Amino acid sequence: EAQVTQNPRYLITVTGKKLTVTCSQNMNHEYMSWYRQDPGLGLRQIYYSMNVEVTDKGDVPEGYKVSRKEKRNFPLILESPSPNQTSLYFCASSLARTGDRNIQYFGAGTRLSVL
Amino acid sequence: AQSVTQLGSHVSVSEGALVLLRCNYSSSVPPYLFWYVQYPNQGLQLLLKYTTGATLVKGINGFEAEFKKSETSFHLTKPSAHMSDAAEYFCAVISNFGNEKLTFGTGTRLTIIP
Repeated sequence: EAQVTQNPRYLITVTGKKLTVTCSQNMNHEYMSWYRQDPGLGLRQIYYSMNVEVTDKGDVPEGYKVSRKEKRNFPLILESPSPNQTSLYFCASSLARTGDRNIQYFGAGTRLSVL
Repeated sequence: AQSVTQLGSHVSVSEGALVLLRCNYSSSVPPYLFWYVQYPNQGLQLLLKYTTGATLVKGINGFEAEFKKSETSFHLTKPSAHMSDAAEYFCAVISNFGNEKLTFGTGTRLTIIP
């Protein structure tokens, strides 16, 4: 079954404690993204990756890191989480970034609370 | 630059009534347009898309949308609402060439009244 898998689904942490949210897709997609979803703001892109070892900033990259060492995996790293990073996070993948090849498949989401 | 505006962050309709969710876009080049749906505690999934060709596109669960270039709109409709349609709906746009990324609207939460 084609899917994007995120872990964990729920996470409560404290300010400053490094954390990683994992994302894996089994569709051999080249393009992967991380989004955060906040009430009234819709989805905002944090980082994206066009392919292995190719990553770039999205709209709201501050406080986040990513890596793309393998095509299927695209972890999101918060080196020093702060309360304003409390949000619902989604990983997504698609064949490519442009045009109708950018039909995105989303993970189920990770709800993060930073105390 | 491209953008999407969804009118109405919350829409309520009675079961069996018409569903109309509005989406207007801005794009300097011909767009590809999408509607995604997010059910409670789930990720987004594609409902329907417009790329080229027929301007009336049909999606899953009885939804359809019409691309109107003159109005820069891509409104989502369903003739008869069902309780299972309660969800959040996102309109999204991307240009059909160039380097712009997929841009999402802020979403419309649809509530179905029994």
